[in-house]
Amino acid sequence: DAGITQSPRYKITETGRQVTLMCHQTWSHSYMFWYRQDLGHGLRLIYYSAAADITDKGEVPDGYVVSRSKTENFPLTLESATRSQTSVYFCASIGTSGRREQFFGPGTRLTVL
Amino acid sequence: AQSVSQHNHHVILSEAASLELGCNYSYGGTVNLFWYVQYPGQHLQLLLKYFSGDPLVKGIKGFEAEFIKSKFSFNLRKPSVQWSDTAEYFCAVNAHNNDMRFGAGTRLTVKP
Repeated sequence: DAGITQSPRYKITETGRQVTLMCHQTWSHSYMFWYRQDLGHGLRLIYYSAAADITDKGEVPDGYVVSRSKTENFPLTLESATRSQTSVYFCASIGTSGRREQFFGPGTRLTVL
Repeated sequence: AQSVSQHNHHVILSEAASLELGCNYSYGGTVNLFWYVQYPGQHLQLLLKYFSGDPLVKGIKGFEAEFIKSKFSFNLRKPSVQWSDTAEYFCAVNAHNNDMRFGAGTRLTVKP
């Protein structure tokens, strides 16, 4: 099915472990984004990517790593998870043509113990 | 970078009441403006958007928003809310560099 998918949908891990959250979109959108959603903060941009092999930091990039080897995939890695990274993570994308509306994935709820 | 402020953290209304949620942004250049809604347990969905032209924008489900450039505002309105409007509402600003910034969100509770 077309759209944005995220996996896993739920993840529990321990402090210090490496975790990778996957994001896949089928529209061939150029721009992709990672946000975290926390109470009282709304959505905060972690990283975004304008195209394959091009990534930029957002508001809260520390502790996260991204890559974009293929247009359709934009994985987010927590190299050494901390409790403060417990959050809901949303992936989004925008196409290069037409209006710049973001389409969001279903989210990944991550708990770091 | 641009920033977005939503003044109301939690709004509680009775059904049929009118709604206005405030949104202000800080950015000196041209912006695209959005309101998204997030129903409980779901991801964000677009309510409406402004890019140019008529500053009064109509969206889905009876929502509208007015862009007032001089006030850097993009307030969301609905004349008569329903219980099904209970959700969290996010204002967002995109300053053409695709660095989209969101407000902290306003939780709307509509009492039946």
